Order: sequence, then C-alpha cells, then structure tokens
Amino acid sequence: DIQMTQSPSSLSASVGDRVTITCRASQSISSYLNWYQQKPGKAPKLLIYAASSLQSGVPSRFSGSGSGTDFTLTISSLQPEDFATYYCQQSYSTSITFGQGTRLEIK
Amino acid sequence: EVQLVESGGGLVQPGGSLRLSCAASGFTFSSYSMNWVRQAPGKGLEWVSYISSSSSTIYYADSVKGRFTISRDNAKNSLYLQMNSLRAEDTAVYYCAREGYCSGGSCFVYWGQGTLVTVSS
Repeated sequence: DIQMTQSPSSLSASVGDRVTITCRASQSISSYLNWYQQKPGKAPKLLIYAASSLQSGVPSRFSGSGSGTDFTLTISSLQPEDFATYYCQQSYSTSITFGQGTRLEIK
Repeated sequence: EVQLVESGGGLVQPGGSLRLSCAASGFTFSSYSMNWVRQAPGKGLEWVSYISSSSSTIYYADSVKGRFTISRDNAKNSLYLQMNSLRAEDTAVYYCAREGYCSGGSCFVYWGQGTLVTVSS
C-alpha cells in the first residue's frame, strides 16, 4: 500500500495566521491527492481534490499544491471555524489510503 | 439534497457478524460509485471498501479482505457492508461515502453521519 505521511501531527496557531500542512506519499501518486477537514463528532468534508482544485463551496483561503510525492495544504488566514483535523488521501492506487491527520489547535 | 444514512451498527462479540446499511437519497444512486470508510475511536480515517455503480468492480482494504463483503441494491438506493469474523480492531464509526468527479481520481464528496460498531465481549 502507498503510505501517506502528514506533518506536523499537530499544530497550534492563531486566528489570522497562515498555516501549511504537508503530506508526503511513499511513491509517486501524480496529482491524485485530496484533502479533508474533520471536526469532532462530524463526518469529514472534502476541501481540495486533485491536489489543487477547490471543492465547490469551500472558502478560497484554502489552497493545495504539489504533485508526485510532496503536497501541501495552505490556509491563508485562519478563521475560528478552521480549527479541526485535516487529512490527506491518495487515490492513485485502488487501495486508498489516508494520512494520519494533522490536528490544528488554537494557540 | 444528497443524504446518506447509515444504520445497523451496535455491540457484537468477537467472531460475530453485523450488516451495515446506507440509505441514499437526493441523487441518482445507480450512477455513482460508493465506499465505506471507518474511524476507530480517537484515530484517523481508514478506507474499507469500494463498489462501482454497477457492482462490477469491488475493492477491499487488506485488513478486511475475506471477512467483509460490500454490495448494493440500486433499486432500493442502498449500500451494504456484511461484516463477518469481527475483531476488536474493527471497532469504529463506519461511514458510507459517495464519490464525486475529481479529475479521474476517487474523492469522497458526500458522507453519512456514521454508525458505530463495537466489537467486545
């Protein structure tokens, strides 16, 4: 299986900060990389698909980049509702895998 | 409005069986591939299984292969997961998730609220 490794595992930041989360694949996955946001007790929400395409309805402060093995999710100016856990997910392989998650907390 | 509603979760003993259901509405169910994704308490997301719109293609995670069976009934707008030989490590919230159009890859655009499966004696 393709291993997805996110860094950091947790992150403290303040409202208005610019935040970047990294996701690395154990082999090249082209641009088959998606990002999700999950809040406690809720189902995940798709933010970014195909590495850099913004899902409909998602605020433009979220952006994604990368290809091959290295990807980033950037939140340009953190809002209170952005404090959550973020997951990357690869769909290059038929055996889909997620990163372990990055918990974004309020500083 | 797209809705996915899971049911069938509960407490089961190790070695037991359970069948999860996911009732879909608000879209043409027969046109979309579906997946099951689970999340153990306090842990991350784990993809479990995929089924194509016509049931012609099915995939499983290695952790459930040979024990779980995914199926669907397009006439009833329903997705199922038959879980046999359950283990403690199968304890999780199970989500059904509908795929979207994501530039050729699999992405999970819509999710149910989840149903909790607890495997314990």
